[in-house]
Amino acid sequence: GESVGLHLPTLSVQEGDNSIINCAYSNSASDYFIWYKQESGKGPQFIIDIRSNMDKRQGQRVTVLLNKTVKHLSLQIAATQPGDSAVYFCAEKGGAQKLVFGQGTRLTINP
Amino acid sequence: GAGVSQSPSNKVTEKGKDVELRCDPISGHTALYWYRQSLGQGLEFLIYFQGNSAPDKSGLPSDRFSAERTGGSVSTLTIQRTQQEDSAVYLCASSPGTSGVEQYFGPGTRLTVT
Repeated sequence: GESVGLHLPTLSVQEGDNSIINCAYSNSASDYFIWYKQESGKGPQFIIDIRSNMDKRQGQRVTVLLNKTVKHLSLQIAATQPGDSAVYFCAEKGGAQKLVFGQGTRLTINP
Repeated sequence: GAGVSQSPSNKVTEKGKDVELRCDPISGHTALYWYRQSLGQGLEFLIYFQGNSAPDKSGLPSDRFSAERTGGSVSTLTIQRTQQEDSAVYLCASSPGTSGVEQYFGPGTRLTVT
């Protein structure tokens, strides 16, 4: 069945450092992989997506890498700021419209 | 512009009672989703509406759960005979097209069943 998992449940980084959040997936048929950010008390917010035929995509301070060989997805955040503190979820989308979410990684930015 | 809104923000109910949760999607968004998020967990898909098509109900955990979307806009998620394991945050999302990749989430309704 479909499943999306994360390597680490928590991650702490110093403000200004880069952070890398990892995710493993199992459904090779997924056509999109997506990262969402959820701040406390709020709904998730779309960050960036990558199509399955790509291996890298860059946004503003974020980069998503997709390694289909090992079914691995990562989100890199450059020069982390206090506002980056949140839970980050990876998700995948196959032929159906629903998203399958992972369990989340809590990112804490230390001053 | 206005985002996705949900009401109530918090709901406490007794075991066995029925509850209705409401979602107002972003105007013009044709797709609407319901998810459930248990404490410290990821999001669990419940149901998906797209335009006038039959909804995808594949994520509903039991026949106590149902949802409808009236006039292609507002949606109501109903849980009958609530159980303690139904306690969670229920999140609604909408998206403008059919890709479903970028979904806009509401703040959620926190349901507590006592």
